[in-house]
Amino acid sequence: TQLLEQSPQFLSIQEGENLTVYCNSSSVFSSLQWYRQEPGEGPVLLVTVVTGGEVKKLKRLTFQFGDARKDSSLHITAAQTGDTGLYLCAGDRGSTLGRLYFGRGTQLTVWP
Amino acid sequence: GAVVSQHPSRVICKSGTSVKIECRSLDFQATTMFWYRQFPKQSLMLMATSNEGSKATYEQGVEKDKFLINHASLTLSTLTVTSAHPEDSSFYICSASSLAGNTDTQYFGPGTRLTVL
Repeated sequence: TQLLEQSPQFLSIQEGENLTVYCNSSSVFSSLQWYRQEPGEGPVLLVTVVTGGEVKKLKRLTFQFGDARKDSSLHITAAQTGDTGLYLCAGDRGSTLGRLYFGRGTQLTVWP
Repeated sequence: GAVVSQHPSRVICKSGTSVKIECRSLDFQATTMFWYRQFPKQSLMLMATSNEGSKATYEQGVEKDKFLINHASLTLSTLTVTSAHPEDSSFYICSASSLAGNTDTQYFGPGTRLTVL
């Protein structure tokens, strides 16, 4: 059983469309991180959200942390082909070792 | 941001041989490093948590005698896949934890593609 349920698993859209990726859990996280990974490379950190209700923007990407710190979303406006990749959410439950619990990932393909 | 390197980036080996993968934090000290494996188009699966100067903590189902982890210093952890078999072929990724403000952030290495023939 995944601690973090990420959806959708696959997303295929045209350039210019908007999209939202969701990560949901019944558990509370002290922080939640979003990563983007390209084939054959390691994940690259996009953002860390810490405070319930927090909204962070990174150019066309908007990240939101739920008020109860159990869920998060990633919204991309006017997707571009360069946004193609695997998006991963990962939550930290505040353990001393800093272990992350990963969602299953969302494979995004943006077509020209 | 913090930089984590892995070496080698790719390795091909014969069945039965052992392979060592290095993970280094280049510009920060990491008391904790994590080892993951990843299958194509899937998420990361945590294999073990490595702490400098102590034994690694393995996730359920991961054989500690097969995947040997050594965290010799605050900037280096190694994963040795012993007696590798084709089913061990995968993408292995390490991460190093750094405290940024009040939040532990994991920075990931570029991964090592292991192919066992």
